[in-house]
Amino acid sequence: GAVVSQHPSWVICKSGTSVKIECRSLDFQATTMFWYRQFPKQSLMLMATSNEGSKATYEQGVEKDKFLINHASLTLSTLTVTSAHPEDSSFYICSARYSGRHSGANVLTFGAGSRLTVL
Amino acid sequence: GESVGLHLPTLSVQEGDNSIINCAYSNSASDYFIWYKQESGKGPQFIIDIRSNMDKRQGQRVTVLLNKTVKHLSLQIAATQPGDSAVYFCAENGDTGNQFYFGTGTSLTVIP
Repeated sequence: GAVVSQHPSWVICKSGTSVKIECRSLDFQATTMFWYRQFPKQSLMLMATSNEGSKATYEQGVEKDKFLINHASLTLSTLTVTSAHPEDSSFYICSARYSGRHSGANVLTFGAGSRLTVL
Repeated sequence: GESVGLHLPTLSVQEGDNSIINCAYSNSASDYFIWYKQESGKGPQFIIDIRSNMDKRQGQRVTVLLNKTVKHLSLQIAATQPGDSAVYFCAENGDTGNQFYFGTGTSLTVIP
């Protein structure tokens, strides 16, 4: 159980276009999902908390208009990178909180990530 | 966000030896910590977690130690195998307990 799926796994786009990345919880419902960004050989930086049925909560320094997050259902959150530029090229990873077997706590389960390359 | 750092960015160990990966966290309000393993091009995978009311927790070949006094975590991997080669991150849940913030990561290389 507790599988999170991301799509696409890799996308290449032209500068100025918008790209949507989907994050799905396949076998559980997730009222909260999280979007992270990771540059090569660096750590995961939390971008925003995606809340089902309400606005996302963004971390300080993350542009809300640049990174649009929608959490329309309990199993789907989307991240849209608007007007993408080469500096937006990165590995974007989503996660969902799963209340499962691990010490009774809500463990984050991660998707496999989506690599965005902006030309 | 929170500041979670690691003492050793890279670590090389011989196959069969034990590995110790360290992590320092900055937020004393964090009460839940997780170690994740990330292989190249993949998302992080859960290894083991620990709550702040514990100072040690053991899993299969892994042990996490928590020292709240000095805000330090460690991950011990017994009998390290080539498949353990990856980047390891610790994460803390911060002020609200609702988000997880990651440390800088340690790249573990197991030498056959």
